[in-house]
Amino acid sequence: DVKVTQSSRYLVKRTGEKVFLECVQDMDHENMFWYRQDPGLGLRLIYFSYDVKMKEKGDIPEGYSVSREKKERFSLILESASTNQTSMYLCASSKQEAQETQYFGPGTRLLVL
Amino acid sequence: DQQVKQNSPSLSVQEGRISILNCDYTNSMFDYFLWYKKYPAEGPTFLISISSIKDKNEDGRFTVFLNKSAKHLSLHIVPSQPGDSAVYFCAGGSNYKLTFGKGTLLTVNP
Repeated sequence: DVKVTQSSRYLVKRTGEKVFLECVQDMDHENMFWYRQDPGLGLRLIYFSYDVKMKEKGDIPEGYSVSREKKERFSLILESASTNQTSMYLCASSKQEAQETQYFGPGTRLLVL
Repeated sequence: DQQVKQNSPSLSVQEGRISILNCDYTNSMFDYFLWYKKYPAEGPTFLISISSIKDKNEDGRFTVFLNKSAKHLSLHIVPSQPGDSAVYFCAGGSNYKLTFGKGTLLTVNP
């Protein structure tokens, strides 16, 4: 069974803190993605990776960076958290030959105070 | 620029009736389209997809229709069940990436 896990379901951080969100998938998928979901805005792509050590900017990369050192793990980094980064963060993965179907983790709800 | 639009934020239907969720897009380069369902406090789950070269795809109670000339797709759920109550996102995809609409909250009343 396909599984994408995220390190935390809820997280509270202070403005200016460095924040790490971790995502792990056990399906040997090549592609991994980070989205944020905000009320009235749907899901917006932050970054994605189609291979180890490879990364591509999505639609809203500002204020974020990512790391993919191993195939199964994709990390989202907020270098200096700000209140406008309070959101639900969703990780997803997909196979290279079936890239249209993405499998999502349960999400991390981040509150930046 | 919103490439995928779901103009109805919410929809309410009676159990057993048909639910029709609509989606419009502006990007002609999408290779495929998908519908995802999302329950509160869970990640979205894949529901059904359609290639841009098809006009219909059916999977059990779910059918997706694509009208390329109108740049419009719709999801039909027949018959609707209370367990279908969720937020539905449509998405267009190409080159690894998916672009999502804002979602439609479907409520199926018993």
